[in-house]
Amino acid sequence: AIQMTQSPSSLSASVGDRVTISCRASQDIRDDLAWFQQKPGKAPKLLIYAASSLQSGVPSRFSGSGSGTDFTLTITGLQPEDFATYHCLQDYDYPWTFGQGTQVEIQ
Amino acid sequence: EVQLVQSGAEMKKPGESLRISCKGSGYSFTNYWIIWVRQMPGKGLEWLGRIDPSDSFANYSPSFRGHVTISSDKSIDTAFLQWSSLKASDTAMYYCARYDIGKAGLFDFWGQGTLVTVSS
Repeated sequence: AIQMTQSPSSLSASVGDRVTISCRASQDIRDDLAWFQQKPGKAPKLLIYAASSLQSGVPSRFSGSGSGTDFTLTITGLQPEDFATYHCLQDYDYPWTFGQGTQVEIQ
Repeated sequence: EVQLVQSGAEMKKPGESLRISCKGSGYSFTNYWIIWVRQMPGKGLEWLGRIDPSDSFANYSPSFRGHVTISSDKSIDTAFLQWSSLKASDTAMYYCARYDIGKAGLFDFWGQGTLVTVSS
């Protein structure tokens, strides 16, 4: 199975900061990667699909980049509502696999 | 309006069977796959498998194959996740989500989750 290594596992940031979260695949997955935001007690919400495509309705401060094995989610200008846990998921090959998650906390 | 509505919370004993459901509405159910995801308390997300409701073909994660069964009934626009013999370690929140076959990675709508608690 393809392993997805997400880093960091948690980070502290302030409103207005630029935040980057990394996801590394154990093998080439082209651009078959999605990013999700999850708040406590809620279902995940799709932010980015196909590595860099912004899901409809998602603020433009969220962006995704990368292909192959290295991917990045960037939040430019962190807002109070962005404090949450972020997950990556590869759907290149079965079994589809998630990263371990990154918790973004208020500094 | 597209919706995925999951069945309610369940409390079961080890060894019991269970089937939870995910009903789609507001779209053509057979045009999108359904995936199932597990989240154990305080942990990350795990992909259990996916099903194509048009032909009920399913893929499973090796970690879950043989322990869960994913099925669907297109006549009632509903997908199912079932266990024949629950374990305490099955205690978790389970989510279903829609997957757009035409746009890889587009998991655009999610159910609200079904909490399964297994305890003696």
